[in-house]
Amino acid sequence: DTEVTQTPKHLVMGMTNKKSLKCEQHMGHRAMYWYKQKAKKPPELMFVYSYEKLSINESVPSRFSPECPNSSLLNLHLHALQPEDSALYLCASRLLQGQKETQYFGPGTRLLVL
Amino acid sequence: SQQGEEDPQALSIQEGENATMNCSYKTSINNLQWYRQNSGRGLVHLILIRSNEREKHSGRLRVTLDTSKKSSSLLITASRAADTASYFCATRGPNFGNEKLTFGTGTRLTIIP
Repeated sequence: DTEVTQTPKHLVMGMTNKKSLKCEQHMGHRAMYWYKQKAKKPPELMFVYSYEKLSINESVPSRFSPECPNSSLLNLHLHALQPEDSALYLCASRLLQGQKETQYFGPGTRLLVL
Repeated sequence: SQQGEEDPQALSIQEGENATMNCSYKTSINNLQWYRQNSGRGLVHLILIRSNEREKHSGRLRVTLDTSKKSSSLLITASRAADTASYFCATRGPNFGNEKLTFGTGTRLTIIP
């Protein structure tokens, strides 16, 4: 199984809503990532979890709150978002083992903030 | 800050022709990777080249790396309609345990049947 799954595929939320994005992988990868991607732009790193601990936070606003409950699951909790936060949110995982180097991406959650 | 710049930004070619896209980066790297993204979907890893390698092949893909010029190129031979996608280079920094992958600006490739 070389798949990263993300739910939901699409999400529309108001600026006062609270919602969560979910990412799951069963490849035994110990690094998991959240990226934000605007249309026609490259992915921008938001957070990295390594062995279930937050290792990188790219100065992301606190209205985005990541959580890694276990080695297979990664959540992104959303609260009081702004319309400019509308984007494709991508999750990825990577095996941490010597020189092994491949990031596997999920299909993304397309978020629209009204 | 953006690590990689890719050119061209967009490329349209006839099916069967070869497509070449270039990536430049600014700082030392451990490796450089190429990813493909079909419209609005997740990225797919294509190929990785390490900083001590100069050329690598995988199927119809050929990647070169020139660390003295801090640049890489991706060649897709005998293009097919299914190759239509955006292509991104991504670099990983040289330090051990560096978990950050920084993406270039991307090239949008269109294959005309």
